[in-house]
Amino acid sequence: NAGVTQTPKFQVLKTGQSMTLQCAQDMNHEYMSWYRQDPGMGLRLIHYSVGAGITDQGEVPNGYNVSRSTTEDFPLRLLSAAPSQTSVYFCASSYGQDDGTEAFFGQGTRLTVV
Amino acid sequence: SQQGEEDPQALSIQEGENATMNCSYKTSINNLQWYRQNSGRGLVHLILIRSNEREKHSGRLRVTLDTSKKSSSLLITASRAADTASYFCATGGSNDYKLSFGAGTTVTVRA
Repeated sequence: NAGVTQTPKFQVLKTGQSMTLQCAQDMNHEYMSWYRQDPGMGLRLIHYSVGAGITDQGEVPNGYNVSRSTTEDFPLRLLSAAPSQTSVYFCASSYGQDDGTEAFFGQGTRLTVV
Repeated sequence: SQQGEEDPQALSIQEGENATMNCSYKTSINNLQWYRQNSGRGLVHLILIRSNEREKHSGRLRVTLDTSKKSSSLLITASRAADTASYFCATGGSNDYKLSFGAGTTVTVRA
């Protein structure tokens, strides 16, 4: 199994540009989420989804948009990139069990906004 | 705001020694998980402990959970160079699947 696949691995954007970070999982997981990781701050939740057609905001949603049209895919859109969005982005998925299950992470997308 | 805080921020030990790191959190939890991140890579799940459990083992890993103190510890025994990584605790709440991560402990194992 491929697990969680993120593309691209690296991206440089100019301020104001838009782009979509792709995330796909092949484990039939209900729950998917996007995090950003900044130095010294751990991972912060941007958006999450508990199933196809259902999304919700996390801790730091401003400037980002998501949709979940299929179980497998959960793209993250940057609407108008800003230097503050320079970060490493991780997508994760899990079965979404009530008493907790492990999350599987992609390898990350390193985004630089200039 | 982040739920978990790891302590220490960084740890340097000799190969063969044990490594202990702690995680404190603020609100009640359903479960607590530990993840490892090697440099430039994604996070890998290590172990999950539920709120009604006090201790769990997995190979060289031992995790404890004290819900009265809102804290957890991760012990890595007989460390190896391959254990060099950042370690994160993540807390899961009731009735949702969201995980809240701490800032992590960076562990360096010297050969």
